[in-house]
Amino acid sequence: EVQLLESGGGLVQPGGSLRLSCAASGFTFRSHDMSWVRQAPGKGLEWVSSISDRGDRTHYANSVKGRFTISRDNSKNTLFLQMNSLRAEDTAVYYCVRHWDAWGLGALVTVSS
Amino acid sequence: QSVLTQPPSASGTPGQRVTISCSGGSSNIGSHSVNWFQHLPGTAPKLLIYTNNQRPSGVPDRFSGSKSGTSASLAISGLQSEDEADYYCATWDDSLNGHVFGTGTKVTVL
Repeated sequence: EVQLLESGGGLVQPGGSLRLSCAASGFTFRSHDMSWVRQAPGKGLEWVSSISDRGDRTHYANSVKGRFTISRDNSKNTLFLQMNSLRAEDTAVYYCVRHWDAWGLGALVTVSS
Repeated sequence: QSVLTQPPSASGTPGQRVTISCSGGSSNIGSHSVNWFQHLPGTAPKLLIYTNNQRPSGVPDRFSGSKSGTSASLAISGLQSEDEADYYCATWDDSLNGHVFGTGTKVTVL
């Protein structure tokens, strides 16, 4: 069974940093492109960032470019999202996604003072 | 503000057919295939349609997708109460150099 389990969410002050992790199991992680997608309270889904199966190609939404970094460790079946210079508008549930047929349950990130 | 526009809401009675549109442009829908997702609050979104009109295994054939030019559509026939959810289209955008989701449509079963 395909499983994606996000961790690392929480409350952080504006300007702070947080690192999300996504532990993948039940499939060959290194063979799949992965993404982070978020949903702010009361808003729709927003794509955040993607990484290729080997980790050699990354893409970012303009709203997070220069502040967020996506990475992966294929030896540990884990996807990461390093989030720096966090803003209130980054408050959202962050989903780890295997393109595009498997989603985690999400990790809540709250940016507030 | 997304580059993919969907109606904010759609509704129907049980058994009816509901259609949701997704309007884009030449840099997104006009050049790339479209996926559709169903999202119930508090749960993980679910892939409903991929590559414009393909259904993953386990998705009922009541759900169908189509694409024409710079627009795509999702149709739900034989509407059921469990279809009450938010629906999103998504594709790649060449101008943004990234994936984009539609604005989302809330489907209500009357």
